[in-house]
Amino acid sequence: AAGVIQSPRHLIKEKRETATLKCYPIPRHDTVYWYQQGPGQDPQFLISFYEKMQSDKGSIPDRFSAQQFSDYHSELNMSSLELGDSALYFCASSLGRGGGAPYNEQFFGPGTRLTVL
Amino acid sequence: AQKVTQAQTEISVVEKEDVTLDCVYETRDTTYYLFWYKQPPSGELVFLIRRNSFDEQNEISGRYSWNFQKSTSSFNFTITASQVVDSAVYFCALRGSGGANNLFFGTGTRLTVIP
Repeated sequence: AAGVIQSPRHLIKEKRETATLKCYPIPRHDTVYWYQQGPGQDPQFLISFYEKMQSDKGSIPDRFSAQQFSDYHSELNMSSLELGDSALYFCASSLGRGGGAPYNEQFFGPGTRLTVL
Repeated sequence: AQKVTQAQTEISVVEKEDVTLDCVYETRDTTYYLFWYKQPPSGELVFLIRRNSFDEQNEISGRYSWNFQKSTSSFNFTITASQVVDSAVYFCALRGSGGANNLFFGTGTRLTVIP
């Protein structure tokens, strides 16, 4: 079965550079979530989109922005990178954003490991 | 507000021992969903189980079992006859039914199974 695809899998950037992470949800999934997991920490919710509109916002820095496109893939844009942005970034997708199972079951991608030097 | 507490930061067991990972949650939602994820050294998040708040039946899947107790707001995870491949970080997570639908994760428990 098709899973969530994230690219790139690894990314190395310098401080103050920009980075773009991409997420391709499972086919027919209309909701995308972004999470950030710092070293030795739990995943923290950043932002989510439903039907191409931002639906919920977590602890996403102002330097970051994201959007969901007409084909439902999503991109997380990160500017003025800081050392503290080094983390594993997960994308998850679900079918719908409300109600219970099976809707809103979040399936995670393999993550993008961002290293800021 | 949603909150998940995993008091055990690290646990080490010898292979074939049983081990229980604790999870305590807080939520004001009357309907909510609890999850366990496994994160092996490779980094991906592997879904293990989802439990709905209105279903307190315990569940067993092979060597894994889960004990959901609403009265104590706990959702503990037991691995019987542990194996080296069980070594990973295990996260308990909570999703409410109102407002944001994102997952709130606990801080994780690192399980090391010693051969």
